[in-house]
Amino acid sequence: QKEVEQNSGPLSVPEGAIASLNCTYSDRVSQSFFWYRQYSGKSPELIMSIYSNGDKEDGRFTAQLNKASQYVSLLIRDSQPSDSATYLCAVRKLTGGGNKLTFGTGTQLKVEL
Amino acid sequence: KAGVTQTPRYLIKTRGQQVTLSCSPISGHRSVSWYQQTPGQGLQFLFEYFSETQRNKGNFPGRFSGRQFSNSRSEMNVSTLELGDSALYLCASGGQENTEAFFGQGTRLTVV
Repeated sequence: QKEVEQNSGPLSVPEGAIASLNCTYSDRVSQSFFWYRQYSGKSPELIMSIYSNGDKEDGRFTAQLNKASQYVSLLIRDSQPSDSATYLCAVRKLTGGGNKLTFGTGTQLKVEL
Repeated sequence: KAGVTQTPRYLIKTRGQQVTLSCSPISGHRSVSWYQQTPGQGLQFLFEYFSETQRNKGNFPGRFSGRQFSNSRSEMNVSTLELGDSALYLCASGGQENTEAFFGQGTRLTVV
């Protein structure tokens, strides 16, 4: 079982719709969770971080964390063509891991006109 | 505030050669982590340096090594290059533990 799992997609949504990206993790000591966006040929860009159960909103983005279910998600409201990218979920352990991040393989999102 | 700077952006090397990549973190950040990204394996952690000490290491052979200087700049070295080392090498800059990590633009290494 992979430590961090994501559906590779592609996930296609129409412009203006809500895109829902999901991520599960296997290690219960994972405590910090991040979403990165990566455009083709570019480096990952941090868009959200979440550390405690519940929802965290930032503009059109909402991260949701459920530690009991070992599940973290990212919602993108009013999806735009510029949101088309690969979204990477990353987790970090609370202790002993320093700043080491473990990544999922990413979900490709396509926002269609 | 300057971001994370990686040099060079592109490299072409021959099998058997060695290569050194450089990363300058965000001012004030003392943590530099290195990752390898390939289409087949995704993003994989190589190692992390914090205040000139290796704090964490991934599952890569000893051909991959690194170091960090007193100004927090870090270098990564790969010796005896193999074709499979062709990848995007990314460094991430971070503060103390449990803070966010920000990536540089990456170095695209091609081994021929």
